[in-house]
Amino acid sequence: AQSVTQLGSHVSVSEGALVLLRCNYSSSVPPYLFWYVQYPNQGLQLLLKYTSAATLVKGINGFEAEFKKSETSFHLTKPSAHMSDAAEYFCAVVDNQGGKLIFGQGTELSVKP
Amino acid sequence: DAEITQSPRHKITETGRQVTLACHQTWNHNNMFWYRQDLGHGLRLIHYSYGVQDTNKGEVSDGYSVSRSNTEDLPLTLESAASSQTSVYFCASSESGQGDEQYFGPGTRLTVT
Repeated sequence: AQSVTQLGSHVSVSEGALVLLRCNYSSSVPPYLFWYVQYPNQGLQLLLKYTSAATLVKGINGFEAEFKKSETSFHLTKPSAHMSDAAEYFCAVVDNQGGKLIFGQGTELSVKP
Repeated sequence: DAEITQSPRHKITETGRQVTLACHQTWNHNNMFWYRQDLGHGLRLIHYSYGVQDTNKGEVSDGYSVSRSNTEDLPLTLESAASSQTSVYFCASSESGQGDEQYFGPGTRLTVT
């Protein structure tokens, strides 16, 4: 069965610093992978997705993620954090048997001025 | 613009009462999903549907039911509300393909007293 592990439930960075949110997955077949962002008191919004095309995926708000099969990773990065990036981020993999998403536990990103 | 809406946005109910949370999407998506979000657990799948008259149990389905009588709606019913069902509930929808992202509603905050 597929699973997703997000390393670090809380990450804190300074404004302007690199953002790195880690996600590792397990899957017996080539996965479809997603990153979602959740701002306070809102639903989830898609940041980016990997569907077996380019391994480096660019998303909204300057975020990108790189699919590394050898490391079973799909880490999310942004070169320079903004205060507005403070939110919770979820990595997810599509279940083999249909369109269900399996979510990681989430990582809360704080951005210090 | 197409959207997915949930109602009510906030609900307080008493233990033992039946509660129904509404989810309505105008994307004309085949797939619809209900999740609950609790601190430390991320999002967990309650029930899902791949089309009209189709419903399936997710990982935390006990005490919940859904029905799909049309494409647009997937109401979630708590048969006899329990304090353990205090949570934030999210509805989502997607097209049929495995690589299709899910679009999330704004959530319903349910408190069972």
